[in-house]
Amino acid sequence: AQRVTQPEKLLSVFKGAPVELKCNYSYSGSPELFWYVQYSRQRLQLLLRHISRESIKGFTADLNKGETSFHLKKPFAQEEDSAMYYCALSGHNYGQNFVFGPGTRLSVLP
Amino acid sequence: EPEVTQTPSHQVTQMGQEVILRCVPISNHLYFYWYRQILGQKVEFLVSFYNNEISEKSEIFDDQFSVERPDGSNFTLKIRSTKLEDSAMYFCASMHGTNSPLHFGNGTRLTVT
Repeated sequence: AQRVTQPEKLLSVFKGAPVELKCNYSYSGSPELFWYVQYSRQRLQLLLRHISRESIKGFTADLNKGETSFHLKKPFAQEEDSAMYYCALSGHNYGQNFVFGPGTRLSVLP
Repeated sequence: EPEVTQTPSHQVTQMGQEVILRCVPISNHLYFYWYRQILGQKVEFLVSFYNNEISEKSEIFDDQFSVERPDGSNFTLKIRSTKLEDSAMYFCASMHGTNSPLHFGNGTRLTVT
């Protein structure tokens, strides 16, 4: 079964500090992994997907198949990064659905 | 950039009433989804829809729920007899094809009193 875990419900860091939001997954095949961000009272927005291997807003995430992880990292957090971050997994089956992790609330303190 | 649009942004209804939440997915997308998020909780999958039929649904999506794509542009979620616990933010999402990311609408906040 597809499953996504995010062990931290809340993560608080000071502005300028590095941040890592953890995500682990379980899936029997080769999944697609994504990070979505939800700023206060806004829609879920795609932040990153593992196949594009790009950096968005200074965030990066590397898929580690051995550890089944897709941790989100940023070297220097900004106050505007404060939001809910959801790791998500998509399988490659017909009628696929995205499975979201429970989310981590990132709070960047001044 | 094209967006998924949802109406209304906020719907208040009395327990037992029927509600229809409306969504216009991005025009060339083929897969459609409804998710909900109860206040302070995680995003939960409700149903996926492809080729004019439901492809998957969760345990939440019981007989009180139904979806339709009546005219090739709208994608609706109907709750026949709302309960207090249906109060949540409902997000519509669409996707062009497999291996594509989901694009979400702004959501409809449903309040059942």
